Amino acid sequence: DTEVTQTPKHLVMGMTNKKSLKCEQHMGHRAMYWYKQKAKKPPELMFVYSYEKLSINESVPSRFSPECPNSSLLNLHLHALQPEDSALYLCASKDRDTSNEKLFFGSGTQLSVL
Amino acid sequence: GENVEQHPSTLSVQEGDSAVIKCTYSDSASNYFPWYKQELGKRPQLIIDIRSNVGEKKDQRIAVTLNKTAKHFSLHITETQPEDSAVYFCAAFGGATNKLIFGTGTLLAVQP
Repeated sequence: DTEVTQTPKHLVMGMTNKKSLKCEQHMGHRAMYWYKQKAKKPPELMFVYSYEKLSINESVPSRFSPECPNSSLLNLHLHALQPEDSALYLCASKDRDTSNEKLFFGSGTQLSVL
Repeated sequence: GENVEQHPSTLSVQEGDSAVIKCTYSDSASNYFPWYKQELGKRPQLIIDIRSNVGEKKDQRIAVTLNKTAKHFSLHITETQPEDSAVYFCAAFGGATNKLIFGTGTLLAVQP
C-alpha cells in the first residue's frame, strides 16, 4: 500500500464551526506532514510529526491544531477559521523526517471557509 | 534557511518540442531534489528526483541535471505532449532545516 488517504475531499465550513481533517498511511512511515496550498502557489509547510511527536511548527496560528494519535494517523483540527484559510490542505508522509527519500502526498482536502 | 528560485513562471511550447525548467537553491548542504507535477485540483505527483551524489538522471522523456557547484538543477522534458501541461514544482531537501522547500512553480502549456 503506497497511498496516503485524506478525508474529506471537500469541506465547506463557517467561521464559527469546528471540523477536522484526517490523514492515514500504512507504509510504516514515521514522519507525517501538513501542507497548505493556495491556488497557483507552491505547498507551504505547516507541521511535521516525527515518531508521533510534533517536530516542526511553522508558526501556524492556533486555530489550526494538529494531532498524531498513532504512527498511521494524522489529524488537523480546525476552529474559528478565516476566509483566507480557504486552500487545499495536503497531508504527506516519508520514511523519516531526516531522510532524503520520497515524500508521498495525499490527494488533499479542498477547504472553503465562508 | 533554504530558498529555492524557479524559472520561468510560465512556459508555452509546441507539441513535440522540448521544455526546460531551471531552479537554484541556496543551502549548499541540501542533498535531495525532487520534481513534482501538479494538475489542477490534484495532488503534487513526484515525476523524478535526484540526489546530490548524482549529476544526471533520466526516465524516458524526462531528465534532471544537477550542478552542485553552481547550486542549480534543471528539468528537461523532450517530445512534449498535451498531457504534459501542468504546473511543475522543483524542491530541495536537507541542509540545516531538514525541510522540503518548494520552488515557486512553472505553468507549462503544450500547444497541440
